[in-house]
Amino acid sequence: QQQVKQSPQSLIVQKGGISIINCAYENTAFDYFPWYQQFPGKGPALLIAIRPDVSEKKEGRFTISFNKSAKQFSLHIMDSQPGDSATYFCAASKRGSGSRLTFGEGTQLTVNP
Amino acid sequence: DTGVSQNPRHKITKRGQNVTFRCDPISEHNRLYWYRQTLGQGPEFLTYFQNEAQLEKSRLLSDRFSAERPKGSFSTLEIQRTEQGDSAMYLCASSFGDRETGELFFGEGSRLTVL
Repeated sequence: QQQVKQSPQSLIVQKGGISIINCAYENTAFDYFPWYQQFPGKGPALLIAIRPDVSEKKEGRFTISFNKSAKQFSLHIMDSQPGDSATYFCAASKRGSGSRLTFGEGTQLTVNP
Repeated sequence: DTGVSQNPRHKITKRGQNVTFRCDPISEHNRLYWYRQTLGQGPEFLTYFQNEAQLEKSRLLSDRFSAERPKGSFSTLEIQRTEQGDSAMYLCASSFGDRETGELFFGEGSRLTVL
């Protein structure tokens, strides 16, 4: 059962453009929604995270938008740079799960110079 | 201590052989997780420890898989009688256990290829 669905599978953006990646979840018990960034040959690293008590969180060029009623959240990368080229994973966890994360399938982002 | 360390980084083995991976978490972290990642997919949870106690195992963790964390420090993941379907990246992560949800710090993974 895929509890976190992510789209698109791949994304190509021009330098300076906006990258948008979407995720939808099924389990209403989820209460923590992080985004992880993974470069080839490396492990995933936390990029930004949100809890459902807020609808938006911004850190630099990265913003999470959260829609609790629709059970959806998205990552926006403003002024995308070639160095942002990586695979991005949304994830979710719930209280009582020991911070165990359920990941989406991933989005491979390519930012062309 | 700059992060989660995993060894070996790459392992090539023949079907039927046993393999063992080691994970050294960030020293002050009491939670340790194992995930498996196949090409083009997100990491899939296998198991996690709080200190030395193994608190949860995924149904993905068949009887051929065993994980330990003696003394609540490093952890090992052993796969017995490897199959070609076991070929994947095995990721270890650690975290503070004083909050219910929080950041997981991942290692660079151990890539297994079963011939």
